[in-house]
Amino acid sequence: NAGVTQTPKFQVLKTGQSMTLQCAQDMNHNSMYWYRQDPGMGLRLIYYSASEGTTDKGEVPNGYNVSRLNKREFSLRLESAAPSQTSVYFCASGRTTGSYEQYFGPGTRLTVT
Amino acid sequence: AQSVTQLGSHVSVSEGALVLLRCNYSSSVPPYLFWYVQYPNQGLQLLLKYTSAATLVKGINGFEAEFKKSETSFHLTKPSAHMSDAAEYFCAVSDGRSGGGADGLTFGKGTHLIIQP
Repeated sequence: NAGVTQTPKFQVLKTGQSMTLQCAQDMNHNSMYWYRQDPGMGLRLIYYSASEGTTDKGEVPNGYNVSRLNKREFSLRLESAAPSQTSVYFCASGRTTGSYEQYFGPGTRLTVT
Repeated sequence: AQSVTQLGSHVSVSEGALVLLRCNYSSSVPPYLFWYVQYPNQGLQLLLKYTSAATLVKGINGFEAEFKKSETSFHLTKPSAHMSDAAEYFCAVSDGRSGGGADGLTFGKGTHLIIQP
């Protein structure tokens, strides 16, 4: 039982390049999330998917797109990377009943030069 | 809208001393509250959660938190700090809106706990 997995762990991009961050969970959760973590800012929600086939914007969606490929997988795409997108990105999955706790992946550290 | 305030971006305690990390929240409905811990270069791990079943919640690694509605607080405590407790701690809230809490958690900015030998 791997929980939430993310690839890659590290990535360096040049301004204007594109990339996709991959996330998968094996906990049979309906909901999945993408957050970014910046120093002194906590975690901020980029996009979420309440169930397979649906996606919604979070607090900081500009410059990102997402795809909920199936119940297990939720990807985050940067179409044209900017230095302001340098951050650590976390994927999470969670319950939509009960206590709504979320479980996090190990993160992807992205640097845009 | 919900929000979380964590008082003190850095807290330093001596090994063996009481740990107290402060969290205040705002929510328009009864909240679900969480504390997460993040060790260097790792993801977030759930420490404990409040779901209205009991106001004093016990978590992993000897931590506990008390929900005080009148103070809108959910402070995290541990009676005796250990060196291994050095990490970043995040308080988070969900008010369970829009289809059962699927719209994400709101996090505080985090408190870095430093343990002095």
